Amino acid sequence: QVQLQESGPGLVKPSQTLSLTCTVSGDSISSGGYYWSWIRQHPGKGLEWIGYIYYSGSTYYNPSLKSRVTISVDTSKNQFSLKLNSVTAADTAVYYCAREGLVAPFDPWGQGTLVTVSS
Amino acid sequence: EIVLTQSPGTLSLSPGEGATLSCRASQSVTSNNLAWYQQRPGQAPRLLIYGASSRATGIPDRFSGRGSGTDFTFTISRLEPEDFAVYYCQQYGSSPWTFGQGTKVDIK
Repeated sequence: QVQLQESGPGLVKPSQTLSLTCTVSGDSISSGGYYWSWIRQHPGKGLEWIGYIYYSGSTYYNPSLKSRVTISVDTSKNQFSLKLNSVTAADTAVYYCAREGLVAPFDPWGQGTLVTVSS
Repeated sequence: EIVLTQSPGTLSLSPGEGATLSCRASQSVTSNNLAWYQQRPGQAPRLLIYGASSRATGIPDRFSGRGSGTDFTFTISRLEPEDFAVYYCQQYGSSPWTFGQGTKVDIK
């Protein structure tokens, strides 16, 4: 079955760039038919969709984060990545990657990775 | 953006009881593209319901959803011990996709 796994630094300094990668197994990103998304959850809080990428490289970002977010894809490694620049403590959260259908919800999700922004 | 408001914030129930959760949207959800997720402590959300009323693969039939437009309901017919968790609704009909703030179902 499809599995997603996030990886990346758990600690990022303020004003720096948060970088995470999601490795997909059991499905090929380049097969199309799905968007590949990032979602975050602030500690003890709700969920916020960050954006998605299609295998072709087309992206769509949440307007609330659009100025700081870049999502990219590497089909040769079956991975997609998130970069969030100029981070502050408010970006401390668990970051999830997930697959979504073209008009469908998020399923499945990765296990999530906690990123703390602190000096 | 569509704001989803879930109620109640917390529901305290006993195993075997039924649970009814509400999700109200600030504007109509396109094509009833509304989903419900379960999140247990320390775990990622898990898709339960999509299209307002369709169960995801492998989801027991004690979980059900209904509704349309701006008002949606999620029901657990008989709570099992593993059902005590936080439940989120999410709309994927109008970008940006948005989530409700969650309803916690805890043990009374």
